[in-house]
Amino acid sequence: AQTIHQWPVAEIKAVGSPLSLGCTIKGKSSPNLYWYWQATGGTLQQLFYSITVGQVESVVQLNLSASRPKDDQFILSTEKLLLSHSGFYLCAWSLDGGADEQYFGPGTRLTVL
Amino acid sequence: GDSVTQTEGLVTLTKGLPVMLNCTYQTTYSPFLFWYVQHLNEAPKLLLKSSTDNKRTEHQGFYATLHKSSSSFHLQKSSVQLSDSALYFCALSDQTNTGKLTFGDGTVLTVKP
Repeated sequence: AQTIHQWPVAEIKAVGSPLSLGCTIKGKSSPNLYWYWQATGGTLQQLFYSITVGQVESVVQLNLSASRPKDDQFILSTEKLLLSHSGFYLCAWSLDGGADEQYFGPGTRLTVL
Repeated sequence: GDSVTQTEGLVTLTKGLPVMLNCTYQTTYSPFLFWYVQHLNEAPKLLLKSSTDNKRTEHQGFYATLHKSSSSFHLQKSSVQLSDSALYFCALSDQTNTGKLTFGDGTVLTVKP
């Protein structure tokens, strides 16, 4: 069975500080990977997607970057946090793109002060 | 570009009553629609999906029918339960290998005893 793990569970960070969030998928090789952002009680905004190792595409510009250093690992980062970065960050995977079901991880709650 | 509209931000019902959550969409592609449900402090999970015109799809007592003529994919249930209280998202896939999903703003369903 496939499992998706995100770390950390929650972060409280200062404006201007760096950030790194991680996501690991076990039990599935070469999945499509995605990062989403969700404001509290708000909609889901896709940030990045990756079809293969080393290749990441940006969907929206939010002063964030993403990398896929390994087949099963997806990293979201920034060098300088903004207040607007606060929210819930969700990693997801799917077998392929298209209309395949996306499976979401447990998420990381980020508070920027 | 693609868009998804959910007209109700908040729906409050008494247990046992029927519910319909509205979803309409705009796309230039052949539509593939999803309903995701997110319980409090949990990750979103797929509830239903469809790309077939005028065919009802069902899962866990919920059902929806894609109507391409009216660009709609409303979610219904004949008798809501307390455990149905959650945030419901309608989403549209562009069916490319990017796996891009466009989500509606979401509808919070609260079921009271």
